[in-house]
Amino acid sequence: QQPVQSPQAVILREGEDAVINCSSSKALYSVHWYRQKHGEAPVFLMILLKGGEQKGHEKISASFNEKKQQSSLYLTASQLSYSGTYFCGTEISNNQGGKLIFGQGTELSVKP
Amino acid sequence: DTGVSQDPRHKITKRGQNVTFRCDPISEHNRLYWYRQTLGQGPEFLTYFQNEAQLEKSRLLSDRFSAERPKGSFSTLEIQRTEQGDSAMYLCASTSRETQYFGPGTRLLVL
Repeated sequence: QQPVQSPQAVILREGEDAVINCSSSKALYSVHWYRQKHGEAPVFLMILLKGGEQKGHEKISASFNEKKQQSSLYLTASQLSYSGTYFCGTEISNNQGGKLIFGQGTELSVKP
Repeated sequence: DTGVSQDPRHKITKRGQNVTFRCDPISEHNRLYWYRQTLGQGPEFLTYFQNEAQLEKSRLLSDRFSAERPKGSFSTLEIQRTEQGDSAMYLCASTSRETQYFGPGTRLLVL
C-alpha cells in the first residue's frame, strides 16, 4: 500500500530541472507533497485532489494522473534551497480520516 | 514555523522507562495526527483524533503506546516500558481540512 517514489536520489547543479515520481498500486483520492530537510519537520508543498487541476507555485509544480495512479513533482531551475528529501503522501479515499501513507522519499541535492 | 509545536524536542531515556510527548496543534484545527519516522523512511501513521475522539489506531501502535487529546486541544503520546526499537522521530500534524501541517517533532533515543 506504500507508494513507491523514484528516483531514490538525485544530484543536480543549480539551475537544472528534476522530476520526482510517486506511484501507487491503489486508486488514489489525493496526493500530498512535502519537503524535509535533515533534522526538521516535513514542510507542505502542495496537494493534488482527484479530479483537480495541476498545481504549482514559483518553480515547483505537480501533476496527478488518476488513471496511472501516479503523481509527478516538477522542479525547474533548481536552487540550493531545494535540497532535501521529498515525500509524497497518499490517500486512497476521502473517508479514511485524512491519514497519509508516505513513500520512502527522494533525496535531492542541489550543488552550486 | 507551521504553528504546530511539540515538546520536548529531544528525549533520551533508558530501556524500560516511560516517556510522554506533547503536541499543541494550530488552534482552529480539529484533526490531529501522530506519525513515527525512522532514519531514511517516510513518516508512518500511528493514530489520529477528530476533536477529542481517537478514531483510528495503526497496528504499529502496540499496547505500550497510548494517546489522548483531552478537550480536543493539545495531545499527548505516551510510551510505556520503552524498547530500543522505539527510537525514532515522533511527528504531530494538524489540519482543519486537507493540508496537514507538521510540528518539529520529538526525537526519541532509547538506550
